[in-house]
Amino acid sequence: DTAVSQTPKYLVTQMGNDKSIKCEQNLGHDTMYWYKQDSKKFLKIMFSYNNKELIINETVPNRFSPKSPDKAHLNLHINSLELGDSAVYFCASSQAPSGLASRTDTQYFGPGTRLTVL
Amino acid sequence: AQSVTQLDSHVSVSEGTPVLLRCNYSSSYSPSLFWYVQHPNKGLQLLLKYTSAATLVKGINGFEAEFKKSETSFHLTKPSAHMSDAAEYFCVAYGQNFVFGPGTRLSVLP
Repeated sequence: DTAVSQTPKYLVTQMGNDKSIKCEQNLGHDTMYWYKQDSKKFLKIMFSYNNKELIINETVPNRFSPKSPDKAHLNLHINSLELGDSAVYFCASSQAPSGLASRTDTQYFGPGTRLTVL
Repeated sequence: AQSVTQLDSHVSVSEGTPVLLRCNYSSSYSPSLFWYVQHPNKGLQLLLKYTSAATLVKGINGFEAEFKKSETSFHLTKPSAHMSDAAEYFCVAYGQNFVFGPGTRLSVLP
C-alpha cells in the first residue's frame, strides 16, 4: 500500500488555466505539507496543515490554495497558472502535530507531481 | 533565521570508495537535523536524523552522520559507495520550520 500518494504524476497545461493536485496519506498522520522543487532541485515548503488547519503558509502567491477536506487529504489548487509555476510538487506527511514534537518527526514524501506550464 | 548549506553541488566517487557529503547549518539554537535521499523521479526518503541524542547517527544503507555543534556541521558519510547510492541528497534542519539545503548530487563511477 502506498503511504503518501499524489495524483496526477504528470500535469501539462496552458498558462492561465486552473488545476488541482491531490494528495492522500494512509499513515494516520496529523500533519501534511506541500513542497515545491524547482528545476535546480531546490526544495521549499509552501504549506503545512495540522488536522485540517493551516499551520504554515510561506510566501506563496495567493493563486495557490491548499484544501484539506480531512486529515488524510491535502489538495493543492492553483489558479491562473504561470510559466514560473512549472516545477515538481511534493506532498509529505508526518505523525505529530506541529510544534516541539515535530523536531523529531520523519516526513514521508509522495512521489511528486511534475507540473509543466506551456 | 536558520539556513542550511551543502558545500558541494556535485560529488563523484568510484564504487567501493568512501563518500563524504558536507552540510552546515546556521541556527540560533540546536536544530534537529536530517538527511534525505532522492533517487531519480522519486520522492524523498529519510536516511537518518539527529534529534539531540547521540551525536553519531547511523542510518539506512550504511550511511552515518556526525553532529558537531562547534562546527555547526552534520556531514554524511559512507565507508564504501555502491552504484545504487547515486542520487540527490538533501540536508534538512528543523528549528521552527523545515529548511532544506540545496542538495548534493552523488555520482558513483564503476
